Amino acid sequence: DAKTTQPTSMDCAEGRAANLPCNHSTISGNEYVYWYRQIHSQGPQYIIHGLKNNETNEMASLIITEDRKSSTLILPHATLRDTAVYYCIVRDWGQNFVFGPGTRLSVLP
Amino acid sequence: DTAVSQTPKYLVTQMGNDKSIKCEQNLGHDTMYWYKQDSKKFLKIMFSYNNKELIINETVPNRFSPKSPDKAHLNLHINSLELGDSAVYFCASSQGAQPQHFGDGTRLSIL
Repeated sequence: DAKTTQPTSMDCAEGRAANLPCNHSTISGNEYVYWYRQIHSQGPQYIIHGLKNNETNEMASLIITEDRKSSTLILPHATLRDTAVYYCIVRDWGQNFVFGPGTRLSVLP
Repeated sequence: DTAVSQTPKYLVTQMGNDKSIKCEQNLGHDTMYWYKQDSKKFLKIMFSYNNKELIINETVPNRFSPKSPDKAHLNLHINSLELGDSAVYFCASSQGAQPQHFGDGTRLSIL
């Protein structure tokens, strides 16, 4: 079973920041938080991951709370092509990725 | 260049047939995986495999068998296909603790 809970769906206006929350209250000290997304009919695409510190790359930012029990993925300027299902996964090295149902993000014009 | 490639992209076949799906990765990764995504869109791991160990999800029927001719390939062979095998199958690869990279999937339809 997935160790994370996410809202089923969210809407975001094009050009605005999309903030996708994830709860992982049972995360252990060695587990990383990963974010993937799946655009319709494509394979899951890696976005970002982190352990304790906030992370940023060319796609998104990841904000992890100090107690590590929750995190937020931020897409700073959402476009229509960001419409996808977003998966938050916690995983220790050597473990498999367990995908939950994710959050269906709809970016609206 | 495609990092993880699967063939075929679409596969339509009849119940009872045996079929194979091929996967190749050119990333030099040491571990490869097969996932199944059913009609409800849940993505579930079936196998993970490196040159040392095959780990099988215990819920996978033994009609499914991974075959790895070399480090860059992990093919999925399915015997006696059933209606419930209709799904999208994704191959993925990774190196150590790094994120997995996925292929674009094979859409299997059983008639």
